[in-house]
Amino acid sequence: QLQLQESGPGLVKPSETLSLTCSVSGDSTGNRRYYWGWIRQPPGKGLEWIGNIYYTGSTYYNPSLKSRLTISVDTSNNQFSVRLSSVTAADTAVYYCARLFCTGGNCYLGDYYFEDWGLGTLVTVSS
Amino acid sequence: QSVLTQPPSVSGAPGQRVTISCTGSSSNIGADYAVHWYQHLPGTVPKLLISVNSNRPSGVPDRFSGSKSGTSASLAITGLQAEDDGDYYCQSYDTSLNGWVFGGGTKLTVL
Repeated sequence: QLQLQESGPGLVKPSETLSLTCSVSGDSTGNRRYYWGWIRQPPGKGLEWIGNIYYTGSTYYNPSLKSRLTISVDTSNNQFSVRLSSVTAADTAVYYCARLFCTGGNCYLGDYYFEDWGLGTLVTVSS
Repeated sequence: QSVLTQPPSVSGAPGQRVTISCTGSSSNIGADYAVHWYQHLPGTVPKLLISVNSNRPSGVPDRFSGSKSGTSASLAITGLQAEDDGDYYCQSYDTSLNGWVFGGGTKLTVL
């Protein structure tokens, strides 16, 4: 059974870098059937896609975050990570990691959806 | 402002039917990208409710159904139950943004 677990500091100071890791069990981040992604939800607001990564290291970023964002995958340790630099209070949110899947054999990038989600972790940006 | 537009709230009495709309454009839903729906109940993790416009994952009751037409999609919930109370999000892919997009979310209140 797939399990996704986010980990990282729950408090980050403004202007510093937010860093989270998603540990995967029950599947491999090297599995070419899936993409792996990050989504966040600020308090009282909706879901926002952050970015996705494929086992090859190919990344896809939300344009609004791209200049501050790095997502990486570590297939040997079966995890993937997100780093968001120069954070402000607006980056305070629950951060979820997720596994993306697509139905059917020949999938285009846009066919993938968020099939499984981690429990989420609250990151607060405050001095 | 979200690329996909959903009503902020809908409500219905137990047993009734409600629909939640998701309106996009020619760069996402209208470009023939699929729409997926997620249910986010209080104190839980978002859960895939409908995939690829109308497919229910295993374990999702058939009270939930999805459809898509043109640049819009809809989620219908029949036989409303108290445990359906929560937030619902549509999601698709946008070629202008080159990325995945969510609707702003709809708060369903079961009266």
